[in-house]
Amino acid sequence: DSGVTQTPKHLITATGQRVTLRCSPRSGDLSVYWYQQSLDQGLQFLIHYYNGEERAKGNILERFSAQQFPDLHSELNLSSLELGDSALYFCASSASIAVISYNEQFFGPGTRLTVL
Amino acid sequence: AQSVTQLDSQVPVFEEAPVELRCNYSSSVSVYLFWYVQYPNQGLQLLLKYLSGSTLVKSINGFEAEFNKSQTSFHLRKPSVHISDTAEYFCAVSRASGGSYIPTFGRGTSLIVHP
Repeated sequence: DSGVTQTPKHLITATGQRVTLRCSPRSGDLSVYWYQQSLDQGLQFLIHYYNGEERAKGNILERFSAQQFPDLHSELNLSSLELGDSALYFCASSASIAVISYNEQFFGPGTRLTVL
Repeated sequence: AQSVTQLDSQVPVFEEAPVELRCNYSSSVSVYLFWYVQYPNQGLQLLLKYLSGSTLVKSINGFEAEFNKSQTSFHLRKPSVHISDTAEYFCAVSRASGGSYIPTFGRGTSLIVHP
């Protein structure tokens, strides 16, 4: 158990819909990262938040957005869903941004999104 | 830009045999290198990392990887595998950018250990 929790574990929805994935980082971790894992694209970095602020963006579509709340949990919002959005969505947390020294990222178990 | 190539999508091996999972990367700047393991229905776990210093890094469960700058490789090895090592292994590179680490992952290698 990494200490990172994600809800829900599974989500089945239809094209055109909007969903929200939730992530609670390890106690004390300020950084939250979101990743998408699909058969087509592999594991892709989406976005990084540190202490409520967006710090880096990866291959995140404009239909997707995220935020980190004052209690440090984070939500990933996916809208106008398409079949190709079906994937495993992971979040990970780490203690800090750690530009000077690397801090390990701890991954949650993921949310499996199926778009029908 | 940086990229990671894991040369084998699947590696079958018998229990107690040695194994090598290959990883090559490309980057124009200094990077940090990682191997992650993903067991079925679980998230990724860090197996080992190279940040600086000794080019040979080891994990607690017998895996090791060697950073080879001239060949831009970071191959993962284990002298004797167990059934429990069956999992997906991801090589990743990361560099600091604007106050964050931007990781790039390989496509993964499925290690299948047969009894």
